[in-house]
Amino acid sequence: SSELTQDPAVSVALGQTVRITCQGDSLRSYYASWYQQKPGQAPVLVIYGKNNRPSGIPDRFSGSSSGNTASLTITGAQAEDEADYYCNSRDSSGNHGVFGGGTKLTVL
Amino acid sequence: QVQLVQSGAEVKKPGASVKVSCKASGYTFTSYDINWVRQATGQGLEWMGWMNPNSGNTGYAQKFQGRVTMTRNTSISTAYMELSSLRSEDTAVYYCARGPSITTLDYWGQGTLVTVSS
Repeated sequence: SSELTQDPAVSVALGQTVRITCQGDSLRSYYASWYQQKPGQAPVLVIYGKNNRPSGIPDRFSGSSSGNTASLTITGAQAEDEADYYCNSRDSSGNHGVFGGGTKLTVL
Repeated sequence: QVQLVQSGAEVKKPGASVKVSCKASGYTFTSYDINWVRQATGQGLEWMGWMNPNSGNTGYAQKFQGRVTMTRNTSISTAYMELSSLRSEDTAVYYCARGPSITTLDYWGQGTLVTVSS
């Protein structure tokens, strides 16, 4: 079982805003990063640290954190954002990584 | 440009071992950790461990302790992940990923499918 919990599926209307959440005790101490994965492809880092985007990631992706919950927000979702999203952080020991179970985002 | 190129698909019998390679290019190999992550078909991502290519230091997820070994050959900028005592549940795509930290995996290999079947 994962120490980070995500909703299995979320949907959003085209052009609307969606928030994907990740819960876990370790998030009180460590930031989460977020990865986008499309079918048959390797994951792509979209958010890391407090709220940083790697080069090439659109600014409609943003991250935030409060208490034991980290969030990925997509403002103005596009059809190409339809994918699985995974959060990633440290486990409760702080020494190892851990992924959330993933959230399948559908853009309607 | 940064690239991580992994070795090809493998088919192994239960009880055997598999060694997957990950060749790095486009950056200084010893400057960033290499993490390994696996994904069973239709399932989520699972973090396996990390290796510092400069020191050789490693850290493994408890689930894989005693079965996984991560090594490197700095002369050819290549990292390796060996998993032993394979069982059917180890059938998955295995990814290497460059990590400024274990929570920031900024470049990923293309993945290597390991199938464990009798």
